Amino acid sequence: GEDVEQSLFLSVREGDSSVINCTYTDSSSTYLYWYKQEPGAGLQLLTYIFSNMDMKQDQRLTVLLNKKDKHLSLRIADTQTGDSAIYFCAESMLTGGGNKLTFGTGTQLKVEL
Amino acid sequence: KAGVTQTPRYLIKTRGQQVTLSCSPISGHRSVSWYQQTPGQGLQFLFEYFSETQRNKGNFPGRFSGRQFSNSRSEMNVSTLELGDSALYLCASSEGAIQETQYFGPGTRLLVL
Repeated sequence: GEDVEQSLFLSVREGDSSVINCTYTDSSSTYLYWYKQEPGAGLQLLTYIFSNMDMKQDQRLTVLLNKKDKHLSLRIADTQTGDSAIYFCAESMLTGGGNKLTFGTGTQLKVEL
Repeated sequence: KAGVTQTPRYLIKTRGQQVTLSCSPISGHRSVSWYQQTPGQGLQFLFEYFSETQRNKGNFPGRFSGRQFSNSRSEMNVSTLELGDSALYLCASSEGAIQETQYFGPGTRLLVL
């Protein structure tokens, strides 16, 4: 099945680390993505991980993938007020062909001073 | 390179009308995908075009259609608009291979009255 779940809301203090979690159900997923959406804007690609990897680090962002539990997380180090946005995880599956992404519900991150 | 562009950015229509939205992909990208974003249903895949052919399709009624031109620009059309079609319509482009990373435009916000 195609079902991606995320918690709806996360609040952190500026300078702390944020961890946004995502679970997916389709074991055929090969690429998993994190996108950021600011108010009134489109989706900004943050990072992605291939399904045969456990971890990927990109500056302040760390992605962890637990394929056995179908669990994906995005850690943002030293969270800033500019990180306040909605974060979506998405999976790209081989079934159906092409470039279809299935998105989670999105996690709204609020960074407080 | 310029990013994905979408026109118009905002649109107001009345029930029963039809609407055409346009998307210009990143230069060199041959695949264009369309997504609908609503508060209730989240982000849902509409369809994908590659080399002027529809390569993948989501679960939307036939009122939603699209096409792609030889220069990779794409249009989507919604006929007989319903109130529930009010949404942010996002276009994404990728180079074209299966499961290529998708880059999103700013979206067209459609309001149906």
